[in-house]
Amino acid sequence: SSELTQPPSVSVSPGQTATITCSGDKLGDRYISWYQQKAGRSPVLVIHEDDRRPSGIPERFSGSNSGNTATLTISATQALDEADYYCQAWDTTTRRHVFGPGTKVLVL
Amino acid sequence: QVQLVQSGAEVKKPGASVKVSCQTSGYTFRDFYIHWVRQAPGQGLEWMGRINLNRGVTNFKEKFEGRVTMSRDTSLSTAYMEMSSLESGDTAVYFCAREHIALPGYLDYWGQGTLVAVSS
Repeated sequence: SSELTQPPSVSVSPGQTATITCSGDKLGDRYISWYQQKAGRSPVLVIHEDDRRPSGIPERFSGSNSGNTATLTISATQALDEADYYCQAWDTTTRRHVFGPGTKVLVL
Repeated sequence: QVQLVQSGAEVKKPGASVKVSCQTSGYTFRDFYIHWVRQAPGQGLEWMGRINLNRGVTNFKEKFEGRVTMSRDTSLSTAYMEMSSLESGDTAVYFCAREHIALPGYLDYWGQGTLVAVSS
């Protein structure tokens, strides 16, 4: 199945670590990307190929992928990190991309 | 610099068609795919499909096959998405985004989005 699941929301205190999971069948066999979307804006790529950061993305964003779960970690979370985060995978069998349902990160 | 600039908002009646454009600049057009992703109000991102800008080959999410057409004009470095038989559930912001042909499946630049509203 190409379905991805994410928790609807994650709450974190400023300066703490936020962990967002993305689960799917044999996800570790596929490359996962992560996108940040702030209200009213276009998505921004923050992690690609499981754990690579595009230029301009802060080092506090990191990723991993193994087994059936990919993880986006935001270290030392800041108020400006409050946004929706989506994982995305490419299904080589169906040749289709799929997004997870998204996780709202709340910095409280 | 890389830019993807989309056409403006559209209001359509049920049953009509809409065509959204995505004009690109700042990179080699044919080295990429253009993907189309939509987002209904208050909802998540939904992948619709992609077009190989060199060969014109398309892949679609199954629910859009037969109702969505993706095309490109290489002379204008512009990609297009046309959807027919619109219904209220198609009201959404439609984004274009690029993926390099030789790299594994991530969308590194996005357009600003085009609101398509379907209402009688």
